[in-house]
This record gives sequence, structure tokens and C-alpha cells, in this order.
Amino acid sequence: DQQVKQNSPSLSVQEGRISILNCDYTNSMFDYFLWYKKYPAEGPTFLISISSIKDKNEDGRFTVFLNKSAKHLSLHIVPSQPGDSAVYFCAAGSGGSNYKLTFGKGTLLTVNP
Amino acid sequence: DSGVTQTPKHLITATGQRVTLRCSPRSGDLSVYWYQQSLDQGLQFLIQYYNGEERAKGNILERFSAQQFPDLHSELNLSSLELGDSALYFCASSVTPLNTEAFFGQGTRLTVV
Repeated sequence: DQQVKQNSPSLSVQEGRISILNCDYTNSMFDYFLWYKKYPAEGPTFLISISSIKDKNEDGRFTVFLNKSAKHLSLHIVPSQPGDSAVYFCAAGSGGSNYKLTFGKGTLLTVNP
Repeated sequence: DSGVTQTPKHLITATGQRVTLRCSPRSGDLSVYWYQQSLDQGLQFLIQYYNGEERAKGNILERFSAQQFPDLHSELNLSSLELGDSALYFCASSVTPLNTEAFFGQGTRLTVV
């Protein structure tokens, strides 16, 4: 049972446009959500997080939106840059389990110059 | 460079064999996590140690074991290897036992032939 789903295996956008990566979850106990970015041959790198008490968190070009009723979160990258091309993983955890993280399968973002 | 060091980077071994993967956490980090990423899969949480003690267990097979030593480095032991154990194994570390912003190593790619 996949508790965290990233239904789009890949996404391609033009440089300067907005990239929107989506993530759905099924476990209502999740109260903390993170996005990681992964380049080939490297480990995942933490990008941005949001707790369930908020519905938006912003860090520079990256914004994460959380819709708890829909059990959906999204990562917006504006403007997209070629260096953003990577695999993006959505992860979720709950304080009740020491925030043991459950990851989605990832979305490959390609930003074309 | 995340500061988390994993060795070896690549490992090829035969079925039935036993291997040990090593992880050195970032300086000052007390918590170590192990993840497995199989082909087309998200990262699967295996096990977490905090300051030498097992803290949380995920989908870790009985053929797998781990430990964290007094100097805080960790080893993941995989035995009776099967073809399906071929995967990327990531180690991550964080200061606290709350896995909210863990830093990942580059991973060890294990190939079982």
C-alpha cells in the first residue's frame, strides 16, 4: 500500500515558467511533509518542508502548498531554471512515529533552456 | 557535499553472499537512517539509530541488520543476498532523532549477480 504517491513520473517545462510537482497521501496521521531533490549519482537533498498546521511555506523560488482535506501537496518552482532538472521526492511523516519518513517514487523534472 | 560519507560507492557480489555497507554521519549528528531504493521505487525506510541505540524499524528484512558504533558510524549488514536485493542503499543523518531534515550520503549501489 503506497501511502505517498507521486502520480507523474516525469514533467517537462520551459526555463522561466512555473513547475508544479504534485503529491498525494493516504495516511491522515501524517503531519509533516518534505520535498527532496536528487541529482544523478548523488543522495537526495532536502529542499523545503511544511507542517500540517500551515497550508503554505515559501523559500525563495520554491513554495509548498498543503491541502489537508484533499490530502494533497504540491511544490511550485518559479521561475524554473535548467539547474532545477532533477528527481523530486515527496516525503511524509508523523510525530507519533518520530517522523519516520515515507517517500513517494519521485518525479523527474526536466527544465528546457 | 552533505557531509555524510558512504563506502563503498559500488559493490558487486554473488547471490548467497554477505556484505557490509558503511556510513559516517555528519559531524555532530547522532541519528543515522538507512534507506533502500530499488528500481522504480521510492526510498524505503529500513532502520534508524540514535546515539548507538535502535530507534525505529521500517521494512527491513530479517537477513539485514545494522548497528551504530560508539564513534557514531553505522554499518548495514546484508546476508544471504538475493537478486532482488540489488538496489541503492542510502544512509542519512540528523542531529536529533526526528527525521525531518536529514542529510543524505551519495549511496552505495549494490548489484547482486
